[in-house]
Amino acid sequence: GAGVSQSPSNKVTEKGKDVELRCDPISGHTALYWYRQSLGQGLEFLIYFQGNSAPDKSGLPSDRFSAERTGGSVSTLTIQRTQQEDSAVYLCASSPLATYEQYFGPGTRLTVT
Amino acid sequence: GENVEQHPSTLSVQEGDSAVIKCTYSDSASNYFPWYKQELGKGPQLIIDIRSNVGEKKDQRIAVTLNKTAKHFSLHITETQPEDSAVYFCAASNGLSGNQFYFGTGTSLTVIP
Repeated sequence: GAGVSQSPSNKVTEKGKDVELRCDPISGHTALYWYRQSLGQGLEFLIYFQGNSAPDKSGLPSDRFSAERTGGSVSTLTIQRTQQEDSAVYLCASSPLATYEQYFGPGTRLTVT
Repeated sequence: GENVEQHPSTLSVQEGDSAVIKCTYSDSASNYFPWYKQELGKGPQLIIDIRSNVGEKKDQRIAVTLNKTAKHFSLHITETQPEDSAVYFCAASNGLSGNQFYFGTGTSLTVIP
């Protein structure tokens, strides 16, 4: 079946602009995660959604970052007033209820110039 | 919070040899330990996982061992092939705190033909 999809695959933006990154999880998966991966680094947790529960936003690095998940499916990660240090690959993963397996999308490579 | 350390950061092996990657964790409440393979330009892919109620799990050429007492777990790849070349990440989760995952910093494996 279809896996996790993310769009766009690449995004180049100017410093100070806002960007929106989209994630379409696997159908039926109730949990959705956003991670940031800087060049040569591990995965940095950003935010976690589980069903209708309040999201765990503990990993968001600043108030310029926010995320929504509409209808328990598609999620959008928004970065306002982008900075050069925001340049990274942003990965989305989804997970079915009651299991721990995460399935990752291909990521969005964000470059802030 | 949980802290996952991964070693080595880079590993080169001859084709046909075995490769071992090790991770340690700090939170004794962690009970799920997945391993991911990330190829260039792609998102991480789950290759094997282990839960804290078992000490070893094997899937063809890949095996994972877990030592709960020492809080470490390892990935073993036997009969390595060039297509095994990738970055491998370990992770730990305790199913609490929003099912948050803590990732190691990755191991870049190169299999030399």
